[in-house]
Amino acid sequence: QKEVEQDPGPLSVPEGAIVSLNCTYSNSAFQYFMWYRQYSRKGPELLMYTYSSGNKEDGRFTAQVDKSSKYISLFIRDSQPSDSATYLCATTNTGNQFYFGTGTSLTVIP
Amino acid sequence: EPEVTQTPSHQVTQMGQEVILRCVPISNHLYFYWYRQILGQKVEFLVSFYNNEISEKSEIFDDQFSVERPDGSNFTLKIRSTKLEDSAMYFCASGMAREKLFFGSGTQLSVL
Repeated sequence: QKEVEQDPGPLSVPEGAIVSLNCTYSNSAFQYFMWYRQYSRKGPELLMYTYSSGNKEDGRFTAQVDKSSKYISLFIRDSQPSDSATYLCATTNTGNQFYFGTGTSLTVIP
Repeated sequence: EPEVTQTPSHQVTQMGQEVILRCVPISNHLYFYWYRQILGQKVEFLVSFYNNEISEKSEIFDDQFSVERPDGSNFTLKIRSTKLEDSAMYFCASGMAREKLFFGSGTQLSVL
């Protein structure tokens, strides 16, 4: 069973574009939803986390969760070349085991 | 800014040998984890550790694996008899809250 599905991309956008990254999940018991950014050969870096449905904004980043459709999104406004990385969604119900997506590779072209 | 520190960054070992991967979590964190990522694949959960005991482990975490927090600061993952399929990047993570984890830069384990 694939708990989390994520389009691996790659995704290439011009600088300044709005980026939309998406995941779907299978288990309605999942309560916590996270987005991580991972640079090559580095550990995942926590960007955003949300609890249950709704939106959460942090600077240029907005995380959105729709539990009715089991759909999570990350929006990046005014994308910068430094945003080029792999973005991983993750979710958990107990907080013990996180289920990660495969990651979407993003390149922002100057 | 505090960070999770992992050593070594690279470890090469022969099949059947024991390896110990070391981690220094962020001070005052309560929850500790090991994850691994085989090249090109998802980050996979291995084990979670809280209050000096394992709170959950995955199917991957069989009898060949063990974790210890020997001195209140270090957090180690031991693989007793390595197999070729254990080759992966191993990440240690810690958090004050379980949903907010901070990952180290990983140890790349290569089993020959």
